[in-house]
Amino acid sequence: GESVGLHLPTLSVQEGDNSIINCAYSNSASDYFIWYKQESGKGPQFIIDIRSNMDKRQGQRVTVLLNKTVKHLSLQIAATQPGDSAVYFCAEAPFGYSTLTFGKGTMLLVSP
Amino acid sequence: DAGVIQSPRHEVTEMGQEVTLRCKPISGHNSLFWYRQTMMRGLELLIYFNNNVPIDDSGMPEDRFSAKMPNASFSTLKIQPSEPRDSAVYFCASSRPTSGRTGELFFGEGSRLTVL
Repeated sequence: GESVGLHLPTLSVQEGDNSIINCAYSNSASDYFIWYKQESGKGPQFIIDIRSNMDKRQGQRVTVLLNKTVKHLSLQIAATQPGDSAVYFCAEAPFGYSTLTFGKGTMLLVSP
Repeated sequence: DAGVIQSPRHEVTEMGQEVTLRCKPISGHNSLFWYRQTMMRGLELLIYFNNNVPIDDSGMPEDRFSAKMPNASFSTLKIQPSEPRDSAVYFCASSRPTSGRTGELFFGEGSRLTVL
């Protein structure tokens, strides 16, 4: 979910588990949604994106689900690995806008 | 294929000094973005250029901040004078032409600024 204040919400899982990271957005005009992964000391890296005319999109080990009715986005990571440990951000943009607005992020910790 | 290149990676300066951060976007990308990241506020858009022209600078905190893009392969973000509250990681990102639709942003590794 989204953080409030200083502390990032944290999801702790065991290696091999499936992880689900959630994100709520407020702009009903949002048309484009994207998930980024940020490892310590690095810039955000693209994971997967989805447009509002879809409700599900799959990549390699990752799936993004979009529920426009409740303005909710989720990222599912299958068979989570220690290398998946990072902060995950959702971001969105309304149609015709080039700039992304980012959520505060969720930290994923994967234990071996 | 080179990604977005930022320099310096780390900068420590004293309050009142001028700071200049540099960015080289990915070749062929026509949009460039400067974001600031702090624990308190997360990733905030400062300014966005399209075809070297500033389109939206509403996120620039105040007159102490300025950004330029003299050509398609170079941009600077300048803070003068710097203050301790400017301490943050500054990211540059670029994106390819997308026929008016939003697309993926490619981020650099960031410039970590500490103002003492």
